[in-house]
Amino acid sequence: EDQVTQSPEALRLQEGESSSLNCSYTVSGLRGLFWYRQDPGKGPEFLFTLYSAGEEKEKERLKATLTKKESFLHITAPKPEDSATYLCAVQARRRDSGGSNYKLTFGKGTLLTVNP
Amino acid sequence: GAVVSQHPSWVICKSGTSVKIECRSLDFQATTMFWYRQFPKQSLMLMATSNEGSKATYEQGVEKDKFLINHASLTLSTLTVTSAHPEDSSFYICSARGQGFQETQYFGPGTRLLVL
Repeated sequence: EDQVTQSPEALRLQEGESSSLNCSYTVSGLRGLFWYRQDPGKGPEFLFTLYSAGEEKEKERLKATLTKKESFLHITAPKPEDSATYLCAVQARRRDSGGSNYKLTFGKGTLLTVNP
Repeated sequence: GAVVSQHPSWVICKSGTSVKIECRSLDFQATTMFWYRQFPKQSLMLMATSNEGSKATYEQGVEKDKFLINHASLTLSTLTVTSAHPEDSSFYICSARGQGFQETQYFGPGTRLLVL
C-alpha cells in the first residue's frame, strides 16, 4: 500500500527564517511526486511535480527536491503570505485491475505559519 | 490556465435529501476527473475517478449507489450525494486532469456540505 508521511505536522517560522518540509514515501513504481499548497477552506493549489530522483524545481521562495525515498520543500526567506498547509502526494501505477491509474495518495500535510 | 470550478461552494441540506455538486474545467478539456473528500485536519481521500463517457471507478469502501458520479462531457463532472445523512457532512473537492498536463491534477475550490 502506498504511504506518504509528512513532517513536521506543524511549523512556525519568523519572517525570513528559512526551513524545509519533509515528505517520506513508500510506493511501488513512482510515476510522480506532487506538492500542493492548501489555504483554509479551499482546494489544493498545484506547486510542483517531480518525476525522478535528483530532480529539483523552483518557484519564487520555494524549491522542491526528490530522492528515492523522500522529497523536501525548501522555503527561503518566507513571508507571512506563505502561511498555508503544504501537501505532498505520490502517484503510482495501480496494481489492482480496477481503479484509477492516476490515483494520488496524499500525506496529512504540514501546517506552516510564518509570523511577521 | 488549468482552472477548475465547483458549484456550489457550500450547501446545507436536511437528512434524507439529495445534493448535486458540479465540477467544471474552465480552460481545458478534462479527460479524467476525480472526487475527493476531506475531513477537518485530515488529508484528502480519493472517492472515485471518472473518465468522460464511461462509468466512474470507485475506491474501496465508497458506496456507488450513494455517491453518483456523472462525467457527461470533457468539461463537466457531477457528484450527487443521495439520501444524505449527517455523517456525509464533509468538504468535497474535485480535480481534473487533461491531455498535455502529464500527470498533474488541478483542483477545484471545494464544496462544503452540511447535512442536518
